[in-house]
Amino acid sequence: DAGVIQSPRHEVTEMGQEVTLRCKPISGHDYLFWYRQTMMRGLELLIYFNNNVPIDDSGMPEDRFSAKMPNASFSTLKIQPSEPRDSAVYFCASSFGVGTEAFFGQGTRLTVV
Amino acid sequence: AQTVTQSQPEMSVQEAETVTLSCTYDTSENNYYLFWYKQPPSRQMILVIRQEAYKQQNATENRFSVNFQKAAKSFSLKISDSQLGDTAMYFCVHKGGGGADGLTFGKGTHLIIQP
Repeated sequence: DAGVIQSPRHEVTEMGQEVTLRCKPISGHDYLFWYRQTMMRGLELLIYFNNNVPIDDSGMPEDRFSAKMPNASFSTLKIQPSEPRDSAVYFCASSFGVGTEAFFGQGTRLTVV
Repeated sequence: AQTVTQSQPEMSVQEAETVTLSCTYDTSENNYYLFWYKQPPSRQMILVIRQEAYKQQNATENRFSVNFQKAAKSFSLKISDSQLGDTAMYFCVHKGGGGADGLTFGKGTHLIIQP
């Protein structure tokens, strides 16, 4: 397996624009996580899915953020409208079952100017 | 809610030395999982070692070992014979055992291995 695949690797956008980050988890994994990493706040869990169903989205900063998982092999994280404070590295991770480690994608570095 | 505390923002040691990274955590659960992840400058998050809370034996992976003290809620990472490639951010991570709680990360320790 190629691991967790995220796209794009880098994204630069203007304030107010819509941004969509994409993730393909490892085949067979039933959990998918979205994290945000910043210098100030470290790694924060935004939302996670189990069998394509959102389980906990309490970490989503505000209504501008939304995430979907239409099937077991694809998830998106959308920010609309984007703001400079959304600039961060966004990671997607997947795991199988309870208690196993999560495998991370390479992350998307988002810069909102 | 779980919290994970890493009290050492940065550490620096000479190559071949042994170094210990500290981690404490707070949880109300009896069954959970602990991990150390490494993040080199490439940004990739890499699993270093894993420990199940119900196991008393400390996990070991080659040069990496942990000292898991469940009562004290302590989970330190020891790196023996450190190598230049060990230079990275190290994150202590807690994961709940009652379901698939998201991973809770500590703030990280930046480890620098000097030649």
